[in-house]
Amino acid sequence: NAGVTQTPKFRILKIGQSMTLQCTQDMNHNYMYWYRQDPGMGLKLIYYSVGAGITDKGEVPNGYNVSRSTTEDFPLRLELAAPSQTSVYFCASAGVRNEKLFFGSGTQLSVL
Amino acid sequence: AQSVTQLGSHVSVSEGALVLLRCNYSSSVPPYLFWYVQYPNQGLQLLLKYTSAATLVKGINGFEAEFKKSETSFHLTKPSAHMSDAAEYFCAVSGGNQGGKLIFGQGTELSVKP
Repeated sequence: NAGVTQTPKFRILKIGQSMTLQCTQDMNHNYMYWYRQDPGMGLKLIYYSVGAGITDKGEVPNGYNVSRSTTEDFPLRLELAAPSQTSVYFCASAGVRNEKLFFGSGTQLSVL
Repeated sequence: AQSVTQLGSHVSVSEGALVLLRCNYSSSVPPYLFWYVQYPNQGLQLLLKYTSAATLVKGINGFEAEFKKSETSFHLTKPSAHMSDAAEYFCAVSGGNQGGKLIFGQGTELSVKP
């Protein structure tokens, strides 16, 4: 059982480049989330989804986009990378609302 | 809106001493409260959760937390710290019909001295 899988684990981008962070889960969970973690700031919610075809903004959505075409996948897209997007990104999923989140191992992104 | 405040970004204890990590929450709906732990270079793991069944919640690795509505608190404790408890701890809140999204506190880094 793989759980929540994120790729890549590390990436360096130049300012203005675009990229997609991949997230897939094999637990048939309806709820999926993207968080970013910055030192001393905890985790901030970027976007979330309560099921295929449904997405909504979290606390810090600017500069990001998401899609949820299948239950398994929830990619996060950065269109014009900026240094402020240097962070560690975590994808998470849950089978039931307000229950335990299962986290991926994270993607460390640097924008230079 | 919901929010969480963790008092103290860094807590240091001696091995065998009591661990107390503080968390206060704000919620306009009955809250679901969680404590997660993050070891270096890893994702987050659930320590324990409060979902209104009992105010004293026991979690893994000897940790427990008590929900106090009058104080809007959900502090995490462990009677005797172990070196392996050194990690970052996050308190989080969710609730209502908001897609189950968790709002996290800023985190508290726990150091354990020999």
